[in-house]
Amino acid sequence: KNEVEQSPQNLTAQEGEFITINCSYSVGISALHWLQQHPGGGIVSLFMLSSGKKKHGRLIATINIQEKHSSLHITASHPRDSAVYICAVFPGGGADGLTFGKGTHLIIQP
Amino acid sequence: GAGVSQTPSNKVTEKGKYVELRCDPISGHTALYWYRQSLGQGPEFLIYFQGTGAADDSGLPNDRFFAVRPEGSVSTLKIQRTERGDSAVYLCASSLSGGNNEQFFGPGTRLTVL
Repeated sequence: KNEVEQSPQNLTAQEGEFITINCSYSVGISALHWLQQHPGGGIVSLFMLSSGKKKHGRLIATINIQEKHSSLHITASHPRDSAVYICAVFPGGGADGLTFGKGTHLIIQP
Repeated sequence: GAGVSQTPSNKVTEKGKYVELRCDPISGHTALYWYRQSLGQGPEFLIYFQGTGAADDSGLPNDRFFAVRPEGSVSTLKIQRTERGDSAVYLCASSLSGGNNEQFFGPGTRLTVL
């Protein structure tokens, strides 16, 4: 079974700071997802990547397949970025489902 | 509809009762997934449908849990003899054709077993 670890579990930062959230996994994968979950809200897919780097607005995701590691970066952070960020890998423990990390709870203070 | 929908949004039941949770995937998506998220945890895989058939049900915790997708669109997750430990948010996701295609998540059903 793939083990997915995220760090940090909790992160509080000031508006404007550069944010990095890390994800590591134990078994080779074909794709990694970064997801965002607001309190009481649904899950939104931010990125799906299998190599290299992707950028969308202020969000950047990178993955190193050899090191089994991915990072999510937020530039010029804003209070509206406050959410739980979840890393998920495919394939996961169930061969056809995602395996998720526990999430990183991010709070951006104004 | 534009996205994945789930009903009900909240369900409170008593220990020992039977519950059904419904998922309407995005039209045309052949793959449908059920996940369960306990408080403070990431979601956990339960079952995956490709069309009408359950292609992988290895995540179902025990035989009290069952899911169907009779016409290859709407799916129902059924829980018999509910226990307090079943309390969680049940998430449904769909993707165009399974595999490592992007999954689109519904808002979830929050189940509370008293």
